[in-house]
Amino acid sequence: EAQVTQNPRYLITVTGKKLTVTCSQNMNHEYMSWYRQDPGLGLRQIYYSMNVEVTDKGDVPEGYKVSRKEKRNFPLILESPSPNQTSLYFCASSLRAENSPLHFGNGTRLTVT
Amino acid sequence: EDKVVQSPLSLVVHEGDTVTLNCSYEVTNFRSLLWYKQEKKAPTFLFMLTSSGIEKKSGRLSSILDKKELFSILNITATQTGDSAVYLCAVKTTDSWGKLQFGAGTQVVVTP
Repeated sequence: EAQVTQNPRYLITVTGKKLTVTCSQNMNHEYMSWYRQDPGLGLRQIYYSMNVEVTDKGDVPEGYKVSRKEKRNFPLILESPSPNQTSLYFCASSLRAENSPLHFGNGTRLTVT
Repeated sequence: EDKVVQSPLSLVVHEGDTVTLNCSYEVTNFRSLLWYKQEKKAPTFLFMLTSSGIEKKSGRLSSILDKKELFSILNITATQTGDSAVYLCAVKTTDSWGKLQFGAGTQVVVTP
């Protein structure tokens, strides 16, 4: 089944403890992206990747890192999480950046205490 | 600054009613407009519209884009309780490197 898989689905952590949210897609998509969703602010892009080894900042990149060493994987790294990073995170992918729809993973609900 | 505005914010209808959701946008270098349905989890893709006046249809759902007036509508006919969800509109521009600019969404509740 074609899908975008994120893990974990739920995560509770403490301020400052490094964490990684994994994302993998099995559709051979070139483009991958991370979004966060917050009440009243909607979905906002954190980082994106046009292809392997090509990544760039979205609208809200502060406090996050990403890497794209392989086409299928696009992990999101929080080096020193803070409470304002408590949010619902979605990984998404599309065949190309331009005229292809984004397909979203099932989300990771992160709580930072 | 690019803007995507959806209306209404929420609505409650009875099963069998028809629902019309609106999405207006103000962006530079428009490329496409997309509709998603979000239940408790991931947004799921419904339609992508790039040309004015061409209706896209999938079962009871349909959508159309007006690039002159800068808006799109999503229609749901003969609504069912399974249509209850947040419907998200998003716009992609030619210079956004694939980024989707989302509206706030319309919450639709279909009562039996």
